[in-house]
Amino acid sequence: NAGVTQTPKFRVLKTGQSMTLLCAQDMNHEYMYWYRQDPGMGLRLIHYSVGEGTTAKGEVPDGYNVSRLKKQNFLLGLESAAPSQTSVYFCASRPGGIYEQYFGPGTRLTVT
Amino acid sequence: KQEVTQIPAALSVPEGENLVLNCSFTDSAIYNLQWFRQDPGKGLTSLLLIQSSQREQTSGRLNASLDKSSGRSTLYIAASQPGDSATYLCALLESQAGTALIFGKGTTLSVSS
Repeated sequence: NAGVTQTPKFRVLKTGQSMTLLCAQDMNHEYMYWYRQDPGMGLRLIHYSVGEGTTAKGEVPDGYNVSRLKKQNFLLGLESAAPSQTSVYFCASRPGGIYEQYFGPGTRLTVT
Repeated sequence: KQEVTQIPAALSVPEGENLVLNCSFTDSAIYNLQWFRQDPGKGLTSLLLIQSSQREQTSGRLNASLDKSSGRSTLYIAASQPGDSATYLCALLESQAGTALIFGKGTTLSVSS
C-alpha cells in the first residue's frame, strides 16, 4: 500500500513551458486535492475532485488545469508556466466516509 | 471567510518540557479539525483528527483538544524530544462535502537536547 504518490519529485521549467504533475492513490479514496505551499502563505487549495470525472476550483485555480479520468489518479497541468508558480505542490486524498486527509510527499517546482 | 491562526509562529524549548501549540479559527461552524506534522522538505503527516462532536483526541504523547464555542484547538506535547522538532499545522474542514482543509501557517517547533 503506497498511499499517495506524486511524480515528479523535482522539476525546473522555463517560463512558458508546460508540464503535468501526477498524483496517484491506491486507497480507493473518493476525494482528491491539489494544494500549493509557499513561504508565509501556508497551504492553499488549487483544485479538487469529489469523484472520478469531476473537478472543481479551489482558492487559487488560475493558471492550472486538472483532470480525473481514473479514480486513482489526479493530474495537475500547467499550460504556460510563470515564475509565480514556483512552489511546492502537494496532492492529498480522503475517503468519502472518514475525513482524515492523506498527503503525498510533494513536488518542488521552480520556474525560471 | 474562515481564517485559521497559529501562534506562536516559532517555539524553542529544551528537551523534556511539556508544551502547548495553539490554533484559533474565526467561524465555529466546522466539521472537524486535523493536526499535521511537517518535517523540512517533506510532506504532511496526520497526527490527530478531532470530529466537531468530540472534545479531544490522544495518541501517545500527543493530546489535541477542541473548543468550538471559543474557536480554539490546542495540541499538547508531553515530555518533548529532539525528534519532535518540526512544523505543526492545524487545518479544519468546514463541511462534509468535498471542500478542502483550511490551513493555518503553522508553528515551527525546535526541541534542543
